Amino acid sequence: DVKVTQSSRYLVKRTGEKVFLECVQDMDHENMFWYRQDPGLGLRLIYFSYDVKMKEKGDIPEGYSVSREKKERFSLILESASTNQTSMYLCASSFSVRSSYNEQFFGPGTRLTVL
Amino acid sequence: GNSVTQMEGPVTLSEEAFLTINCTYTATGYPSLFWYVQYPGEGLQLLLKATKADDKGSNKGFEATYRKETTSFHLEKGSVQVSDSAVYFCALSENVQNTGNQFYFGTGTSLTVIP
Repeated sequence: DVKVTQSSRYLVKRTGEKVFLECVQDMDHENMFWYRQDPGLGLRLIYFSYDVKMKEKGDIPEGYSVSREKKERFSLILESASTNQTSMYLCASSFSVRSSYNEQFFGPGTRLTVL
Repeated sequence: GNSVTQMEGPVTLSEEAFLTINCTYTATGYPSLFWYVQYPGEGLQLLLKATKADDKGSNKGFEATYRKETTSFHLEKGSVQVSDSAVYFCALSENVQNTGNQFYFGTGTSLTVIP
């Protein structure tokens, strides 16, 4: 089974702190994604990566950056956390770049609270 | 552009009732369509998918048919159980040149099944 793991299930940080959210997948997937999930807004794409050291902005990249140094790991960085970044963060991965058939596999999520 | 619109919730049903959650989409090409389910406190799991017009996806008693003429992918189940209580997301995936398949999610429909 594909497994996508996220470093923390719950995280509490203070305004202005630098926050790292880590995601690891174990199936050699090419694509990796970071979303945030908020009530009434569904899932919104923050960043995605289709290869090592490659990254693309999603719909809401402001206030975030990402890093993909190894194929299996995709990190989301909040440079200076703010209260409006309190949310559920979901990581996902998918196999082939070339096909729309391939589903995304999700991690369990990290619920981040910024005080 | 691409988008997914799904029926707003919350939906509350009695056990063994019939379920329909409506989903319509807008796409520029020939997308694949998905239903994901999110149980409380967890990430999203793939429920079913369909990759071309008139395909029917099915899993765990749930079904959805890819209708190109009405741009719809409605989720149905003949007899719901308490264990089906969750949030359901409709999504489409379309291949984007050079950066692979991107997903577009609906806002989610919360289902509660009461005994």
